[in-house]
Amino acid sequence: GAVVSQHPSWVICKSGTSVKIECRSLDFQATTMFWYRQFPKQSLMLMATSNEGSKATYEQGVEKDKFLINHASLTLSTLTVTSAHPEDSSFYICSARIREYEQYFGPGTRLTVT
Amino acid sequence: GQNIDQPTEMTATEGAIVQINCTYQTSGFNGLFWYQQHAGEAPTFLSYNVLDGLEEKGRFSSFLSRSKGYSYLLLKELQMKDSASYLCAPMDSNYQLIWGAGTKLIIKP
Repeated sequence: GAVVSQHPSWVICKSGTSVKIECRSLDFQATTMFWYRQFPKQSLMLMATSNEGSKATYEQGVEKDKFLINHASLTLSTLTVTSAHPEDSSFYICSARIREYEQYFGPGTRLTVT
Repeated sequence: GQNIDQPTEMTATEGAIVQINCTYQTSGFNGLFWYQQHAGEAPTFLSYNVLDGLEEKGRFSSFLSRSKGYSYLLLKELQMKDSASYLCAPMDSNYQLIWGAGTKLIIKP
């Protein structure tokens, strides 16, 4: 099956710093990638939809200047959390879509901001 | 609006059968997915239903009734490793997955 990787799998950073998370589709090309955030015991929250070569589409309430998304190629999308604060601590998950009915999730990145 | 309704938590015994129900309301419909999510991990795909009826895949089966906005996931011969959250996720007219909080399934020996 298709494989999606995320790096890093976990990261601890200090408040005010920026963190970049990479999402790669390893054996397929993904025209669309999604970024989710999940707080403990809550549902997955879609943050943004990323299409290769174009600007990401952010969901309502998600600050695009704080969560920078770059989809530079058909196999790579990055999410940068800028000026991170403790409330940004969460589980960030990406997924890559091959076609409408077929998308694969990365293993997730646990971010802790101290 | 778009809405998913699943029980918050269920408990079952190892070796038994459990059915997790899901009702949904979406803007348009392009099928319904079930995912399994272990604590601290990303969701993994279990099933996809787009037509009414039952889809069987090993110990797991999923049922869909589009007219009723209803689906269920049936897990047979429960194993301890099946302890996880089970997420019902319909796909709307924009091919976006709509997520609820999922059902936490606890398996007891």
